[in-house]
Amino acid sequence: SAVISQKPSRDICQRGTSLTIQCQVDSQVTMMFWYRQQPGQSLTLIATANQGSEATYESGFVIDKFPISRPNLTFSTLTVSNMSPEDSSIYLCSVEERRLGTGNTEAFFGQGTRLTVV
Amino acid sequence: QQQVKQSPQSLIVQKGGISIINCAYENTAFDYFPWYQQFPGKGPALLIAIRPDVSEKKEGRFTISFNKSAKQFSLHIMDSQPGDSATYFCAARISGSARQLTFGSGTQLTVLP
Repeated sequence: SAVISQKPSRDICQRGTSLTIQCQVDSQVTMMFWYRQQPGQSLTLIATANQGSEATYESGFVIDKFPISRPNLTFSTLTVSNMSPEDSSIYLCSVEERRLGTGNTEAFFGQGTRLTVV
Repeated sequence: QQQVKQSPQSLIVQKGGISIINCAYENTAFDYFPWYQQFPGKGPALLIAIRPDVSEKKEGRFTISFNKSAKQFSLHIMDSQPGDSATYFCAARISGSARQLTFGSGTQLTVLP
């Protein structure tokens, strides 16, 4: 399975600043995704990071607030811009791989970035 | 139609007991149902998954039961251990769809020693 490294693992940021989260995968993957997990909540898809084109955002998420880069098939960044305390959350990078044997496409997650905005 | 409803929100089980977490869905186009386990400070990890062409899948102490007519599926953890204490998420997707997984709200399981 894909090994996903996310940096930073946690950060405390001032209101109004921006934070860029990095996601590195140990293999080339077509699909990369960014999720938000608010405290005690489920995972909400922010956007699909497309290599070579703009990210595809889910309803309620916009590029100005969450700009995403995907320069190649192993790397992506998510920026949380002009942060407010409401942005305090865990941000997760995810990739999909087709599992040999079953043929199922499985989702794998990084360890997450715990962001606190003060 | 994309919602997956999960219950209970939290669950406390004695060591050796059976933990049961339930999920229900509306969209009959869903055809893949994984369960994820998440420990504090970690990302979710795939635990076990099922397709609707079978009614049950077992892997070790973990079993998924699937009821297609009722649009429900559940996770059973047999002989629950303190190390199983984690948050569990059910999810669903449409194979071949560009959409990613739809997650349930999560169940925080505590297994008492």
